[in-house]
Amino acid sequence: DGGITQSPKYLFRKEGQNVTLSCEQNLNHDAMYWYRQDPGQGLRLIYYSQIVNDFQKGDIAEGYSVSREKKESFPLTVTSAQKNPTAFYLCASSIWGRDEKLFFGSGTQLSVL
Amino acid sequence: SQQGEEDPQALSIQEGENATMNCSYKTSINNLQWYRQNSGRGLVHLILIRSNEREKHSGRLRVTLDTSKKSSSLLITASRAADTASYFCATVGTNAGKSTFGDGTTLTVKP
Repeated sequence: DGGITQSPKYLFRKEGQNVTLSCEQNLNHDAMYWYRQDPGQGLRLIYYSQIVNDFQKGDIAEGYSVSREKKESFPLTVTSAQKNPTAFYLCASSIWGRDEKLFFGSGTQLSVL
Repeated sequence: SQQGEEDPQALSIQEGENATMNCSYKTSINNLQWYRQNSGRGLVHLILIRSNEREKHSGRLRVTLDTSKKSSSLLITASRAADTASYFCATVGTNAGKSTFGDGTTLTVKP
């Protein structure tokens, strides 16, 4: 089954702690994205990557970091510098330059303890 | 800032009725896409319309695009309870490949 797998489904962060959200895809897509969704709102772009070993900041990158060492994987770290991390995080992938039709994972809900 | 704004924010209809939701945007686009999100889940792509197209159909979905008014509408005909979800428009700009989402319309279809 081709698709995007996000883990864990639920994650809790303590004060001052960094946490990492996993995103893996087997669609052979070049581009991968991280979005943040707050209750009742749309998606805001955190980071995106068009190709391995390259990534770009989105609209709300502060307090987050990413890496793209493999085509299949695009982990997101929520650092202690992100003061309001409670949100639903969505990972997506696409064929870059082909209409940017996005395929989404099922999301990770991050909460602060 | 968000590119797209959906209207209405919430819509409640009876099963069998049609549902129409609108999206407005601010800058030139390459294409506009509609996605559906069930509560607590990821988004699912529904339909894409390019800037040189005016109308597209897919099953019970009909999308229109008016680039002069910078607006799009999504019509779901003969709605079902299973259509209950949030619907988002996303625009892809002419200079960048990334999508920008609106805040969505929450549709409730009562059986």
